[in-house]
Amino acid sequence: EAGVTQFPSHSVIEKGQTVTLRCDPISGHDNLYWYRRVMGKEIKFLLHFVKESKQDESGMPNNRFLAERTGGTYSTLKVQPAELEDSGVYFCASSPQGLTNEKLFFGSGTQLSVL
Amino acid sequence: GENVEQHPSTLSVQEGDSAVIKCTYSDSASNYFPWYKQELGKRPQLIIDIRSNVGEKKDQRIAVTLNKTAKHFSLHITETQPEDSAVYFCAASQLTGGGNKLTFGTGTQLKVEL
Repeated sequence: EAGVTQFPSHSVIEKGQTVTLRCDPISGHDNLYWYRRVMGKEIKFLLHFVKESKQDESGMPNNRFLAERTGGTYSTLKVQPAELEDSGVYFCASSPQGLTNEKLFFGSGTQLSVL
Repeated sequence: GENVEQHPSTLSVQEGDSAVIKCTYSDSASNYFPWYKQELGKRPQLIIDIRSNVGEKKDQRIAVTLNKTAKHFSLHITETQPEDSAVYFCAASQLTGGGNKLTFGTGTQLKVEL
């Protein structure tokens, strides 16, 4: 079974540019989460999709961040325009609905560097 | 909201020794406490989890203990091996049936030396 996949694994962009991160959850997982880890700090929640609907976006830092999950399959997270403080590792995680929905499966992350 | 503190930030042990990582949480409504291990360059992987109706859980060399009164939980690794070297994250959440919004600690870099 394929795990959660994220693309790209690394992205280096200049301040003011736009970057789009992609996450493919485990097939059949309705729950999809985005998290971010800034250097040396905790992994922080950004938002949660159930299928194509945003269940909770309370962790999104500001309106420069836009997440979508059209069709309820893969998700994208766009940062526009990127700022220096957006640098960090962006993780995606997924889980099924039902009794085992608490177990989150993480992707390997996208290392974003904004210069 | 929930706040999770994790200590120590780095931990170095000799192979074969035990390692203990401690976390505290602030929200008494939290009822789910997982531990993730992240090896260098790899994805965080769930290694053990515990719900608030259980005080202790063990899986081979790994165990987690939970003290709801004090709002703290700990990861215990016995007979450490070099492959245990990684960053370990604790987390807490309140399971509501509508998803699982985890609040993580800042991570512990564990190094097992030969």
